[in-house]
Amino acid sequence: NAGVTQTPKFRILKIGQSMTLQCAQDMNHNYMYWYRQDPGMGLKLIYYSVGAGITDKGEVPNGYNVSRSTTEDFPLRLELAAPSQTSVYFCASDLPGQPQHFGDGTRLSIL
Amino acid sequence: AQSVTQLGSHVSVSEGALVLLRCNYSSSVPPYLFWYVQYPNQGLQLLLKYTTGATLVKGINGFEAEFKKSETSFHLTKPSAHMSDAAEYFCAVRSSGGSNYKLTFGKGTLLTVNP
Repeated sequence: NAGVTQTPKFRILKIGQSMTLQCAQDMNHNYMYWYRQDPGMGLKLIYYSVGAGITDKGEVPNGYNVSRSTTEDFPLRLELAAPSQTSVYFCASDLPGQPQHFGDGTRLSIL
Repeated sequence: AQSVTQLGSHVSVSEGALVLLRCNYSSSVPPYLFWYVQYPNQGLQLLLKYTTGATLVKGINGFEAEFKKSETSFHLTKPSAHMSDAAEYFCAVRSSGGSNYKLTFGKGTLLTVNP
């Protein structure tokens, strides 16, 4: 089983550039999530989705957008990259009441 | 609202010694509680979970945790540390009712195991 797959694994962006972080899961999970992880800060929820066509903001949504056109995919878009968005991004998915499954992360640097 | 506090951002033990990682939570409804482990350059992996029932929960790699409602705690223990246990550990809480999909994480505890 592939589980949760994130691409790319690493990326360097220039300030002002845009990019999309991809996330796909093959477990037929309803719920999907995007987190960012910064040193000593744990994981902060950016956006989440409870099903195709339904998304909502988490704790730190500014500067990001998401869409959920299918159950499997939940891409995260950065429109105008800023240095403050340098972080490690994790996608996760689960079913109601079950533990979240995480991808291996995307390490993003903005210079 | 729910929150998680992990006491100690860095814990160092000797190989073979007891591991104790502390986690306290706050939740307005009965919580679901989780411990995740993160090895370098990897995602988070579920170590163990408490939902209902037995308050002493056993997980992978010899770890266990006890849910103590009166102390609002869910501390993680392992009787004898191994070098391979060196990683970062995250405690997380989720509401058991209503909008129960949001997981709130603590800031993490980095465990170092010395030979």
